[in-house]
Amino acid sequence: EVQLVESGGGLVQPGRSLRLSCAASGFTFDDYAMHWVRQAPGKGLEWVSGISWNSGSIGYADSVKGRFTISRDNAKNSLYLQMNSLRAEDTALYYCAKAPGQWLVPTYFDYWGQGTLVTVSS
Amino acid sequence: EIVLTQSPGTLSLSPGERATLSCRASQSVSSSYLAWYQQKPGQAPRLLIYGASSRATGIPDRFSGSGSGTDFTLTISRLEPEDFAVYYCQQYGSSLNTFGQGTKVEIK
Repeated sequence: EVQLVESGGGLVQPGRSLRLSCAASGFTFDDYAMHWVRQAPGKGLEWVSGISWNSGSIGYADSVKGRFTISRDNAKNSLYLQMNSLRAEDTALYYCAKAPGQWLVPTYFDYWGQGTLVTVSS
Repeated sequence: EIVLTQSPGTLSLSPGERATLSCRASQSVSSSYLAWYQQKPGQAPRLLIYGASSRATGIPDRFSGSGSGTDFTLTISRLEPEDFAVYYCQQYGSSLNTFGQGTKVEIK
C-alpha cells in the first residue's frame, strides 16, 4: 500500500524558514517523480514544486520560485521542501503527491499524503 | 498559464441522481491531459480520472470523464451518499500544472 507521510509543518513568523519532509513507503520511491501541492484554508489546490526520479528535472510555481527548494533522498525514500522567506500567503496545508511516472511533466498525481499545515503569522 | 474554470460552483442533488460537472480551459489542453480529483472534508484529494476519460485504480464505473480541447466533463451516473464532496479538475499538458477552483456536490 502506498503511504506518504508529511511532517515539519507548524507556526512560523514571516521571513523565517521551515523544512517539510515526506516519508514514502509501499512503492519503489526512486522510480517516480514527486511533487508538493498546497491548499490554503478553505481554498483550492495549487501545485508548488516537483522533482523527477533522479533529481535531474525540477520545477517551481512562480509564487515560490527563488524562495523554496525541493529535494529528495532516494536512499531514505524521502522528499523535502525547504521554504525560506515565508510569507502570510504561504499559509496552507502542504501535500506530498506521487506522480505515475519518472518525469516531471506531463503528470497528474495518483497518490497523496494527508498533508502538513504551515501557518505563517507574527 | 492555462486557467481552468469549473461550473457550477455548487451542485445540489439527491442520492440516485446524475451529476454533470464542467471544466473549461482558457486554451486547448494538449493530448487531453486532464485529471479529476475528489476531496472530502478533512481528507486529501483522491484521483478519479486521468487522460480525460481513464478511471484510476479502484474508481467505480459510475464515474466517467469525457471531453477534449477546452471542454471537459465529469459525470457521476447515480450519486451515492459517499459521492458528496468537492471535485477539482487539473490540466497537466503544460509545464505548469493548474487546477480548477472546484465544484461542490451537496445533498439537496
